[in-house]
Amino acid sequence: AQSVSQHNHHVILSEAASLELGCNYSYGGTVNLFWYVQYPGQHLQLLLKYFSGDPLVKGIKGFEAEFIKSKFSFNLRKPSVQWSDTAEYFCAVTPAGTGNQFYFGTGTSLTVIP
Amino acid sequence: NAGVTQTPKFQVLKTGQSMTLQCAQDMNHNSMYWYRQDPGMGLRLIYYSASEGTTDKGEVPNGYNVSRLNKREFSLRLESAAPSQTSVYFCASRRQTGDTYEQYFGPGTRLTVT
Repeated sequence: AQSVSQHNHHVILSEAASLELGCNYSYGGTVNLFWYVQYPGQHLQLLLKYFSGDPLVKGIKGFEAEFIKSKFSFNLRKPSVQWSDTAEYFCAVTPAGTGNQFYFGTGTSLTVIP
Repeated sequence: NAGVTQTPKFQVLKTGQSMTLQCAQDMNHNSMYWYRQDPGMGLRLIYYSASEGTTDKGEVPNGYNVSRLNKREFSLRLESAAPSQTSVYFCASRRQTGDTYEQYFGPGTRLTVT
């Protein structure tokens, strides 16, 4: 089975600090990659996705992620976090061509201190 | 446009009881999914339905059954609940946009089995 690793389980930052959340996957073939966010008490929402093309992907709310194929990584970044970014962040992977087998990481809980 | 809706929001069952979790989407999506979310485990796919009339097992299907009643509705049934099925259950549907896609999630059902 495929696996997705998010090594940062809980991150605490002050407002205006920069954020980088790690995501690594184990599948050796072509993949499609996603970052989802779950704000407290809400459902998961898509932040950004990568299918092909420019490996630097921009998403909503100032988030971006970089796909590095050689490192099997898709790290999420934001230059300056806000208190409203406090949430749980999930990385997900689907092997290309499957379309329905989504594999999620265990999530990273981000707390931003005002 | 309600998106993906789930009922109930909360449920407490005794071991051995049965219940059905309901999910509906009004976005005319073909594919629908059921996940469970456990602390430290992320989201794990239970079953999915690529189209009306078809269902397939995901990563953790044991103890569950599903029904794709029509294009809108995808239900998850626990025939004989066990404490190990205590979890938060999320339903999702998939929007295809050209060569890319993304999932839309419901608000979740928090199930406790005692």
